[in-house]
Amino acid sequence: GENVEQHPSTLSVQEGDSAVIKCTYSDSASNYFPWYKQELGKRPQLIIDIRSNVGEKKDQRIAVTLNKTAKHFSLHITETQPEDSAVYFCAANAYGQNFVFGPGTRLSVLP
Amino acid sequence: DTEVTQTPKHLVMGMTNKKSLKCEQHMGHRAMYWYKQKAKKPPELMFVYSYEKLSINESVPSRFSPECPNSSLLNLHLHALQPEDSALYLCASSSTYIDQPQHFGDGTRLSIL
Repeated sequence: GENVEQHPSTLSVQEGDSAVIKCTYSDSASNYFPWYKQELGKRPQLIIDIRSNVGEKKDQRIAVTLNKTAKHFSLHITETQPEDSAVYFCAANAYGQNFVFGPGTRLSVLP
Repeated sequence: DTEVTQTPKHLVMGMTNKKSLKCEQHMGHRAMYWYKQKAKKPPELMFVYSYEKLSINESVPSRFSPECPNSSLLNLHLHALQPEDSALYLCASSSTYIDQPQHFGDGTRLSIL
C-alpha cells in the first residue's frame, strides 16, 4: 500500500522568509496530492492540491511542485506571516484508494 | 464558512453510555467520511460512504457504528467506548470517492471518562 513520508517534522522561519515542506510517496499509481493546513483546535483545511499530469501549481503565496519520477512533492510558502503557523499535512491518493496522509509538519513563523 | 457541519462540538461520556455524532453537508457531495484524529497525528480513516453505501470500514471496533440516512447526513453511533477512544472525530465529504478534495468539518472532541 501507499506510504507517505514528510519532512521536516518541525520548521521555524522568520516572518517574511520562505518555507518548504517535502513529501515522498511510494505508490507510483498515486495521482492526486492535496495539502491541508490545520491550526490548533481547528479542522484540516485544503490549501492547495495537484494532480499527476501537472508539474507545478501556484496560488498567491503558496505553490506545490510534483516530481513523478522521484515520487516527491513539495509545498512552498513565500513571504511567510504569523498566521501561516499551523500543522501542514500532505497526502497522496492512488486511483480508487483513500488518502494516505503524511505525519505532518509543525510550522512556526516567528515575528 | 464551514460547509460540513458537525454536532456536537464537544462530548463527554462514560464508558457505558450510548451517544451519536452527527454530520451534515449540503454541497451535493456523494462521498462522506469519518476520521479519528489523536493529538499531533494525521487524521486516521474509519469509514467511507459512497452513494450512501458503506464502502470502506478500516477494521474499526464494533463499538463504533456508522449510518448514512441520506446523501446529506452521516451519523456515528457510539457505545461502550474505552478511554483510548478519546480523540477528535472529523467528518469529511467529497464530490465522489475518487481522487477528489475532501472538505472537513470542525470535528467533535470526544472525551471518555
